[in-house]
Amino acid sequence: GAGVSQSPRYKVAKRGQDVALRCDPISGHVSLFWYQQALGQGPEFLTYFQNEAQLDKSGLPSDRFFAERPEGSVSTLKIQRTQKEDSAVYLCASSFRQGENIQYFGAGTRLSVL
Amino acid sequence: KQEVTQIPAALSVPEGENLVLNCSFTDSAIYNLQWFRQDPGKGLTSLLLIQSSQREQTSGRLNASLDKSSGRSTLYIAASQPGDSATYLCAVRPRSGTYKYIFGTGTRLKVLA
Repeated sequence: GAGVSQSPRYKVAKRGQDVALRCDPISGHVSLFWYQQALGQGPEFLTYFQNEAQLDKSGLPSDRFFAERPEGSVSTLKIQRTQKEDSAVYLCASSFRQGENIQYFGAGTRLSVL
Repeated sequence: KQEVTQIPAALSVPEGENLVLNCSFTDSAIYNLQWFRQDPGKGLTSLLLIQSSQREQTSGRLNASLDKSSGRSTLYIAASQPGDSATYLCAVRPRSGTYKYIFGTGTRLKVLA
């Protein structure tokens, strides 16, 4: 595709539900990042993939958060037993190769937990 | 732990003014610093990237400077236009660890016509 695509754009979940957020990176991009952006804040790093390998998951806030990229392209961020504090915009970014400075961001998924 | 701060949090200026956005970071061990623009409901767009060995970068009406030793960067916007209205985010890439960026909280800019 022309850019990084994220779906859904908006997700409303009841507290306790599980959600899955999808990211389609730019074709051929090796690196993929997930960030969480709370209202009025800057994005905060969650996790990083190089191809299918999850090299850094130090930013995942709890074991309720899980990310995967099984074939080295599409990635899914899963949040189990959602809590109100999980409400945020989840941004995905990709870059062409490992260490590439420029990260291309998707428009994000806005998650609201009621 | 690296922390990035941006001042001011919000700024409203009349069209045509030159303006400066400030960014400070606590750990000078950075690989590079990047300025992004974020429009409501959209992702981030990279504006300027400054490597740690560089002092400034320019693109059109934008100029970004970096003083790594003092932990500061500024983004200068010349002759501001209403289309410049957006949130501007500063982010640093630490020297250690993986290739993540650490972001500031942003400056919300409104340019009045």
